[in-house]
Amino acid sequence: DQQVKQNSPSLSVQEGRISILNCDYTNSMFDYFLWYKKYPAEGPTFLISISSIKDKNEDGRFTVFLNKSAKHLSLHIVPSQPGDSAVYFCAASASWNQGGKLIFGQGTELSVKP
Amino acid sequence: DAGVTQSPTHLIKTRGQHVTLRCSPISGHKSVSWYQQVLGQGPQFIFQYYEKEERGRGNFPDRFSARQFPNYSSELNVNALLLGDSALYLCASIAQAGVPYEQYFGPGTRLTVT
Repeated sequence: DQQVKQNSPSLSVQEGRISILNCDYTNSMFDYFLWYKKYPAEGPTFLISISSIKDKNEDGRFTVFLNKSAKHLSLHIVPSQPGDSAVYFCAASASWNQGGKLIFGQGTELSVKP
Repeated sequence: DAGVTQSPTHLIKTRGQHVTLRCSPISGHKSVSWYQQVLGQGPQFIFQYYEKEERGRGNFPDRFSARQFPNYSSELNVNALLLGDSALYLCASIAQAGVPYEQYFGPGTRLTVT
């Protein structure tokens, strides 16, 4: 039972354009969402998060949008840079379990071409 | 500031053997979580520890166990290794339990079971 899904295993965009990575979840108890970036041979690196009381959070080139009614979140990267090429994971947490357990999606591999 | 450290970086074991993986969290962080990431999947939650107590456990068999020490470092132990235990084992450092703070990951230990 995959509670967090990233349905696109890969995405290719041109440098300077927008990258949009999508994530869907099924558990309405999730109230905190995070995005991580992962390079090969490294652990995931925290990028940006959003609480369920918000619908948007922005940090530099990265913006996360949350649509609770659709149980959908997305990460926008503008403008995309070749260094953004990595695997991106969305993750969800429920405060009832004290936030220690993150449920991850399968990941989307982003390739930004010069 | 030192990040999350894990040792060893790589490990090769034979079926039936036992393995111990180690993690040191970010200075000042009191909680660690362990995750298993198999190829092509997102990380799967194994355990969370806070102040030396288990705060959460994922859907893993009893062959998996962990503990946290007074200095907040942690060990993950796996007994009777199976081929399917081959994976990247990630440790995440959390400032404190109780709120879904961002989790900061170490580089992981790559375990290969032959």
